[in-house]
Amino acid sequence: GAGVSQSPSNKVTEKGKDVELRCDPISGHTALYWYRQSLGQGLEFLIYFQGNSAPDKSGLPSDRFSAERTGGSVSTLTIQRTQQEDSAVYLCASSFAVLAEETQYFGPGTRLLVL
Amino acid sequence: LAKTTQPISMDSYEGQEVNITCSHNNIATNDYITWYQQFPSQGPRFIIQGYKTKVTNEVASLFIPADRKSSTLSLPRVSLSDTAVYYCLVRYSGGYQKVTFGIGTKLQVIP
Repeated sequence: GAGVSQSPSNKVTEKGKDVELRCDPISGHTALYWYRQSLGQGLEFLIYFQGNSAPDKSGLPSDRFSAERTGGSVSTLTIQRTQQEDSAVYLCASSFAVLAEETQYFGPGTRLLVL
Repeated sequence: LAKTTQPISMDSYEGQEVNITCSHNNIATNDYITWYQQFPSQGPRFIIQGYKTKVTNEVASLFIPADRKSSTLSLPRVSLSDTAVYYCLVRYSGGYQKVTFGIGTKLQVIP
């Protein structure tokens, strides 16, 4: 595809359940980023990948959050034992390289609602 | 990490030029200044990026004074479709640092 895609676009789950969010970056982009955006707030950095490696996991809110990337392409963000405060839009972005001057291209996001 | 400060909201009439200023007093030598635009229910979209002086593209201009402690995004002749949130970021060029977009500036264009 031409851009970053994310699935599902919307997810409603019950408190305590696990969820998986998927990101398909632009082909050829080695860098991939996950952000979270709560209602009316800015974007909060969660994690980034350089290839399949995640050098900086310090943005993950808790140990219930994990992410992986395989084959230097698709990434999955997993939230275990979801809590209501996890409700937010989860955005994925990719860039050609992990450099500050490289443009990040964002996907449309996954809207997660935890009941 | 350089901290940025920008107005929370701005209103403008259609056809006017809009200038949004971002303060980044502790910007470092190797930091770039980047602006993104976000429409409701969409991910942010890159607008413009610069290091110093002036940068212009088909969408906007970015003015950066010599001390680089602030930058101004200029949108010429805004239309209703420019209503969005605009984020100013300062990013380290030596690699990747954790970046938080902040709340941004909500621009409302009025007919």
